[in-house]
Amino acid sequence: DGGITQSPKYLFRKEGQNVTLSCEQNLNHDAMYWYRQDPGQGLRLIYYSQIVNDFQKGDIAEGYSVSREKKESFPLTVTSAQKNPTAFYLCASTRQRGAQETQYFGPGTRLLVL
Amino acid sequence: AQKVTQAQTEISVVEKEDVTLDCVYETRDTTYYLFWYKQPPSGELVFLIRRNSFDEQNEISGRYSWNFQKSTSSFNFTITASQVVDSAVYFCALTNAGGTSYGKLTFGQGTILTVHP
Repeated sequence: DGGITQSPKYLFRKEGQNVTLSCEQNLNHDAMYWYRQDPGQGLRLIYYSQIVNDFQKGDIAEGYSVSREKKESFPLTVTSAQKNPTAFYLCASTRQRGAQETQYFGPGTRLLVL
Repeated sequence: AQKVTQAQTEISVVEKEDVTLDCVYETRDTTYYLFWYKQPPSGELVFLIRRNSFDEQNEISGRYSWNFQKSTSSFNFTITASQVVDSAVYFCALTNAGGTSYGKLTFGQGTILTVHP
């Protein structure tokens, strides 16, 4: 089945630790996105990538890093510089770049700080 | 700058009632796209509809209908004869086609809909 997978479903981070969230899609989509959702709030864009080996900062990129070495993969690293990482993280993709494209979302990863 | 406002934080209805979720947006672009997503308790966002700024036709899909009015910058969503399975958080979102368009979605705060049996 085609779709977007995110792993793990739950992730626990200790103080000062970097953690990486996985996002994989087999839809052959060009563009991929990472969003953060806090309780009672809408989603905010962290990073996005329109093509392989290229990515751009979104609205809240501080404390996060990404890579896009393969078309199907867009991992997000939450670094120790992110002081409030507890949130629900959602990955999305679109067939092509552009505002007209519909973003399809993965099931999300819930990150908790120990 | 663009902004999406969903003034209703929470709505509670009894099954079979009709319910309308409001969405008001702000944008300076003439070409833009509006979306509705559903987020059930599992967390995954489910795409419901996309509407471009040049198409003001209302749309109906089963029990769901959408009313797009550019004059009031609104894109409201109505569920007819609500069911318990409709209980979820619903998000309205906007992208602009102008400038450095990259499909960034600006989300509203979401409306929590609870349908009681």
